Amino acid sequence: DAGVIQSPRHEVTEMGQEVTLRCKPISGHDYLFWYRQTMMRGLELLIYFNNNVPIDDSGMPEDRFSAKMPNASFSTLKIQPSEPRDSAVYFCASRPRDRPSDTQYFGPGTRLTVL
Amino acid sequence: RKEVEQDPGPFNVPEGATVAFNCTYSNSASQSFFWYRQDCRKEPKLLMSVYSSGNEDGRFTAQLNRASQYISLLIRDSKLSDSATYLCVGPIYNTDKLIFGTGTRLQVFP
Repeated sequence: DAGVIQSPRHEVTEMGQEVTLRCKPISGHDYLFWYRQTMMRGLELLIYFNNNVPIDDSGMPEDRFSAKMPNASFSTLKIQPSEPRDSAVYFCASRPRDRPSDTQYFGPGTRLTVL
Repeated sequence: RKEVEQDPGPFNVPEGATVAFNCTYSNSASQSFFWYRQDCRKEPKLLMSVYSSGNEDGRFTAQLNRASQYISLLIRDSKLSDSATYLCVGPIYNTDKLIFGTGTRLQVFP
């Protein structure tokens, strides 16, 4: 059974470039979460979706960040333009509707480095 | 005060030792908490849930102390494979969101 899939696994880009991170949640999961993890701030929720609809984007740091979920099997997180302080590991997680809120399944993450 | 706070460690213990981590929380309305485990350069994975008074799973025991607003994780008979970062996690009341502590790093040595 495939878990959450994220791509790319590693991304190195230069400041000012557009970055697009991709996520495929586990089939049948209604919730999708985007997190960012850094040494200084730990794991922070950026935005989450329920049935493809954004529910809470209060964690999105700036207008440079945007996320979409065009269908139940695909989501993107875009940073435009990217800055060095965006360097972090970005995780996507999904959760089925009928499980408690603790049960989030994380993807392997995308390690982003902005030079 | 942060909503969920942990001692970052690292905790360095020999194999076979018993080790305990504590985590404090600020939102007294939260009914349950969770421990996630994160291996180096890997994603977090749910280890245990903590409801009401506590939960035990093999060598792992998690407890919730509502009066003092802290959660603990006890690991008995530590194995080398227990080396990881343990994240204390709480729900944000009346939402589907979780808030993660910054993690406590455990290193078990031979």
